[in-house]
Amino acid sequence: SQQGEEDPQALSIQEGENATMNCSYKTSINNLQWYRQNSGRGLVHLILIRSNEREKHSGRLRVTLDTSKKSSSLLITASRAADTASYFCATALSGGYNKLIFGAGTRLAVHP
Amino acid sequence: SAVISQKPSRDICQRGTSLTIQCQVDSQVTMMFWYRQQPGQSLTLIATANQGSEATYESGFVIDKFPISRPNLTFSTLTVSNMSPEDSSIYLCSVVVGRDAKNIQYFGAGTRLSVL
Repeated sequence: SQQGEEDPQALSIQEGENATMNCSYKTSINNLQWYRQNSGRGLVHLILIRSNEREKHSGRLRVTLDTSKKSSSLLITASRAADTASYFCATALSGGYNKLIFGAGTRLAVHP
Repeated sequence: SAVISQKPSRDICQRGTSLTIQCQVDSQVTMMFWYRQQPGQSLTLIATANQGSEATYESGFVIDKFPISRPNLTFSTLTVSNMSPEDSSIYLCSVVVGRDAKNIQYFGAGTRLSVL
């Protein structure tokens, strides 16, 4: 079964607004990653947060991780139309061998 | 990082036929993975392609249906055999470069398969 569940399933906002997506998982992890997928194409790695980290920033992206609640959030600030895509969290399990388990994804639409 | 070429980018196939998808990487990589993404869904790992040995399949996927080859460290193929409309999906390959303990994966652009 999938490790990560995400909400919301879909999010529609205006340019300039912030977008927040949440991810929950079930078992111990080594790290948690976020990926973006444009229009059914390949995925692009956005950001990684290790299990011993609580917050990470990269440009307009901010990721938080709460291992006690087994949850993570991705915040995109000052969104742009080009941010329109599906966003997936993926967990690397403790003791795993590079295998990732992907969440259900959030479809983000940013309107000009 | 790695540049991954996946072919074909899309195909429309008839029921009962087979399609082989190729994944070529611009550098030698240790781990290669094949995923299926059904319409509107997330990615499901089919198998890990091991160089020089049989692929390791995930629960629900079998070698007879999804045979995988990995003849060297830069190339792998996935065959979708005896296709049915339920096999209509995007198929993606991904790689981990070197001994990346972070598990970051780099993806090909995907193969969009439609089975009639």
